[in-house]
Amino acid sequence: GQNIDQPTEMTATEGAIVQINCTYQTSGFNGLFWYQQHAGEAPTFLSYNVLDGLEEKGRFSSFLSRSKGYSYLLLKELQMKDSASYLCAVMDSNYQLIWGAGTKLIIKP
Amino acid sequence: GAVVSQHPSWVICKSGTSVKIECRSLDFQATTMFWYRQFPKQSLMLMATSNEGSKATYEQGVEKDKFLINHASLTLSTLTVTSAHPEDSSFYICSARGLEGNTEAFFGQGTRLTVV
Repeated sequence: GQNIDQPTEMTATEGAIVQINCTYQTSGFNGLFWYQQHAGEAPTFLSYNVLDGLEEKGRFSSFLSRSKGYSYLLLKELQMKDSASYLCAVMDSNYQLIWGAGTKLIIKP
Repeated sequence: GAVVSQHPSWVICKSGTSVKIECRSLDFQATTMFWYRQFPKQSLMLMATSNEGSKATYEQGVEKDKFLINHASLTLSTLTVTSAHPEDSSFYICSARGLEGNTEAFFGQGTRLTVV
């Protein structure tokens, strides 16, 4: 079966760095996405990785290792507004998105 | 990024009535649209996938006669919740994907449905 695993909840301090991991097992791979979702709102796109390596975009970076079926989202200089759920999703061989359950990130002052 | 507009943002309806939710891609042609529902503190649950001009593909456990999906054009898909019941109260979100398969899905704002 297809499976996406990510931690249920993480806590970090304002100004610090946090890494949210995602491991996956899917039938085929056409890229991995990270989305941010604030409570009561729709997800918003953060990043897309299809090749191995690190993609940096401002305070957010996303890393992919296809051989390990592993990705992480790195958030630097955390701000209170970063408190949200972070969803990992993999596009399989049929171009369908397989979603993780999301990681709730709690930022403390 | 591309814009997907979902309407209404929230709706309250009486039990037994039907509710229609619209999802429009404003600046691109959406060959594929996805409908999700999300219960509080839970992740997205894919309900169905619709390709323009063809019947929607429903996920296991989703009643196609209750959740009617129409994708008649490349810019509009609708989800109709028929004979709504309180247990249908949820957050419904659509997303749309363009002509190229390997692109991100753009999400609508979501619709908060409350059935009383």
